[in-house]
Amino acid sequence: GAVVSQHPSWVICKSGTSVKIECRSLDFQATTMFWYRQFPKQSLMLMATSNEGSKATYEQGVEKDKFLINHASLTLSTLTVTSAHPEDSSFYICSATGTGVTDTQYFGPGTRLTVL
Amino acid sequence: GEDVEQSLFLSVREGDSSVINCTYTDSSSTYLYWYKQEPGAGLQLLTYIFSNMDMKQDQRLTVLLNKKDKHLSLRIADTQTGDSAIYFCAESIAGTYKYIFGTGTRLKVLA
Repeated sequence: GAVVSQHPSWVICKSGTSVKIECRSLDFQATTMFWYRQFPKQSLMLMATSNEGSKATYEQGVEKDKFLINHASLTLSTLTVTSAHPEDSSFYICSATGTGVTDTQYFGPGTRLTVL
Repeated sequence: GEDVEQSLFLSVREGDSSVINCTYTDSSSTYLYWYKQEPGAGLQLLTYIFSNMDMKQDQRLTVLLNKKDKHLSLRIADTQTGDSAIYFCAESIAGTYKYIFGTGTRLKVLA
């Protein structure tokens, strides 16, 4: 139980384009989802917290207009990297927590974004 | 500040025990977690411990919690090559679902 999927697992795009990453909770309702960014050989950096049906809360230093987050249903959150640039290249990981699973976060497999 | 510290690297021989240490900062954390990350993958929850516990054992894994010193450890018995990965401790922030992650410990198991 408590499985989280992400799609795509990797994506390569041209500079200036937008990329959407999906995060789904497969067997539970995710009232809260988190988006992290991880640079090579580093820990996870929390970007934002999203609750179903409301606006995401962004961490300090994260541009909300660049990283658009939508949590329209209890099983799906999306992260859109708008006008991507090479410095946005990173490993993006989502996690989810919800009713019946204490406050444990369950993580997706991650999406590797490469911007050329 | 909110820093959760871990040693960066640990190397053990196959069959030995591994002990990964973590020093956290928020004494009001409700839960503390251990996650495993293999190359190019997400984080796999290994185990967690409630803050009012001192120890938790789950098969080959033993978690020890010293609240006075804000010290958390993960012991892996009979370490196997498949245990090679990065291990992250994390503490939950009281009143939220947010975590503070440790810096990660890269475990290398030598055959």
